[in-house]
Amino acid sequence: NAGVMQNPRHLVRRRGQEARLRCSPMKGHSHVYWYRQLPEEGLKFMVYLQKENIIDESGMPKERFSAEFPKEGPSILRIQQVVRGDSAAYFCASSQTLNQPQHFGDGTRLSIL
Amino acid sequence: GESVGLHLPTLSVQEGDNSIINCAYSNSASDYFIWYKQESGKGPQFIIDIRSNMDKRQGQRVTVLLNKTVKHLSLQIAATQPGDSAVYFCAENIGEYRNKLVFGAGTILRVKS
Repeated sequence: NAGVMQNPRHLVRRRGQEARLRCSPMKGHSHVYWYRQLPEEGLKFMVYLQKENIIDESGMPKERFSAEFPKEGPSILRIQQVVRGDSAAYFCASSQTLNQPQHFGDGTRLSIL
Repeated sequence: GESVGLHLPTLSVQEGDNSIINCAYSNSASDYFIWYKQESGKGPQFIIDIRSNMDKRQGQRVTVLLNKTVKHLSLQIAATQPGDSAVYFCAENIGEYRNKLVFGAGTILRVKS
């Protein structure tokens, strides 16, 4: 069974550009979560999605950040007009149902020049 | 507020010894907890979980203990091996839909051969 797949593994953007991070959940998992991790810190929740629906976006910055999980295809975390402070590792997780273990991908390391 | 914290940032143990990693949580209503292991450059890997109706749960070489009275979790690793070297996080599952993991800052486990 393939685990949670994220791509790209590394992404470099200049300030003002857009970053698109992709996540394919584990087979059979319809719940997707995005987290952000700064160096030497724990992960911080950003958003929880089910197919075509954003359920909880309480951890998302109010501007420039958006997420989607379309009926077909991977979940996308989109950051518009990136700034240096967006540099971090972004992790996606999936679960089969709620209140079950979330399984993580290996993340996308975003660097802003 | 909601928070999960770890007492010891770094733990060094001799190969073959047992390791104990501690974690405190603040939300007395939390009912589901997970331990993750994160190696450099990778995503968090699920180790073991426990629900609040249990005090102890055992896996392969790992045991999680939950003390709800003092809101404390611990992860015990038996016969620690060099491959156990990593950062360990406890996480508390909260949110209206039990969809949000709150991570502590992490404990670095170093195994000396």
